[in-house]
Amino acid sequence: DTAVSQTPKYLVTQMGNDKSIKCEQNLGHDTMYWYKQDSKKFLKIMFSYNNKELIINETVPNRFSPKSPDKAHLNLHINSLELGDSAVYFCASSQRTSMSTDTQYFGPGTRLTVL
Amino acid sequence: GQSLEQPSEVTAVEGAIVQINCTYQTSGFYGLSWYQQHDGGAPTFLSYNGLDGLEETGRFSSFLSRSDSYGYLLLQELQMKDSASYFCAVNTGGGNKLTFGTGTQLKVEL
Repeated sequence: DTAVSQTPKYLVTQMGNDKSIKCEQNLGHDTMYWYKQDSKKFLKIMFSYNNKELIINETVPNRFSPKSPDKAHLNLHINSLELGDSAVYFCASSQRTSMSTDTQYFGPGTRLTVL
Repeated sequence: GQSLEQPSEVTAVEGAIVQINCTYQTSGFYGLSWYQQHDGGAPTFLSYNGLDGLEETGRFSSFLSRSDSYGYLLLQELQMKDSASYFCAVNTGGGNKLTFGTGTQLKVEL
């Protein structure tokens, strides 16, 4: 009964390629997120969608494009991959968007290595 | 900008008590959360403080002082399985946006 799942778990690719990471949650949550965790374990939010609407868009290169076909899915497409994109990408979800804090549930992560 | 500072590493022995501090400077504040992450794993929620004071959840407690922009996570009766990274995170508002701290690597020794 996986709550937040991501595919693939590992992704190794060459510089300049385009790749996608998929995320699905079966918790019935309204809000989904993408985070990047670098080699120093610094965890930074990239995007957030609430019910398919983009609500957080941090300073991320426009080579990164999130897509939410429905509120249970949030995919991340990356164009023209660069060495600096190598990191672990986590998807997360929470019940609702509000000014209070809702627990975020993280997926297992996708380790992206750009060669 | 936003900054959340934590000690980079803490070492303690099994059965002991350890406190991990977090000081923050953020443009918005809607609560302080703590997450645990084992090597190779995903962050998992531990505790949340929206108001000043102590919150207790089993062996873990978390404290917040908004006037001091400070919080801590207290882990009691340490077990080997508590060896992990611990992150504080501030909800800076605008859609449950969490800004994470630098993380503290906790090592529990026999």
